[in-house]
Amino acid sequence: GQQLNQSPQSMFIQEGEDVSMNCTSSSIFNTWLWYKQDPGEGPVLLIALYKAGELTSNGRLTAQFGITRKDSFLNISASIPSDVGIYFCAGQGGGSNYKLTFGKGTLLTVNP
Amino acid sequence: EAGVVQSPRYKIIEKKQPVAFWCNPISGHNTLYWYLQNLGQGPELLIRYENEEAVDDSQLPKDRFSAERLKGVDSTLKIQPAELGDSAVYLCASSSGGYTGELFFGEGSRLTVL
Repeated sequence: GQQLNQSPQSMFIQEGEDVSMNCTSSSIFNTWLWYKQDPGEGPVLLIALYKAGELTSNGRLTAQFGITRKDSFLNISASIPSDVGIYFCAGQGGGSNYKLTFGKGTLLTVNP
Repeated sequence: EAGVVQSPRYKIIEKKQPVAFWCNPISGHNTLYWYLQNLGQGPELLIRYENEEAVDDSQLPKDRFSAERLKGVDSTLKIQPAELGDSAVYLCASSSGGYTGELFFGEGSRLTVL
């Protein structure tokens, strides 16, 4: 089945630093999504990308849908303590192939 | 607007005991999902409902797992009997359409099987 490789597995940064994480797949996707999960909570959608090459921002977050449709990255600028959590990428095929394939997540720790 | 509500938040049981989880989706969301999240992993789909119909249960271990959504709103996921390897977080999610990846997740039900 489809597999997503998400990296890095974890990051420990200082408040104010920028963060970058990415996701690669052996298969192409029609949609890439980025979710964040706080401890003890369910994942929350941050950004959805629907077109190859698309670059989308949501506040301090920026995500891009790779041209090959096999990768995506998420950048967080000027990190703050509340950015702490696990960030998951998810890919979705087209049409009836609707299932989301999630990466294993990137654990982000921000030191105040 | 209320989000996806799940209960219980935590459940500790001994192996071979039954357990049930309940989910109330966002009002108006016809599509409901149950996901399994093991420690250190991303969520994995167990079953998807469109209204009261289970349209994809291919990844639900049917020997011990069952689910229902009788009136097309609330849903229950049951495990009987539970095994040690079932310890995980069970997430419920809902969406406004069957093919969107934009899901709204509940807080999850954390199961520990002793």
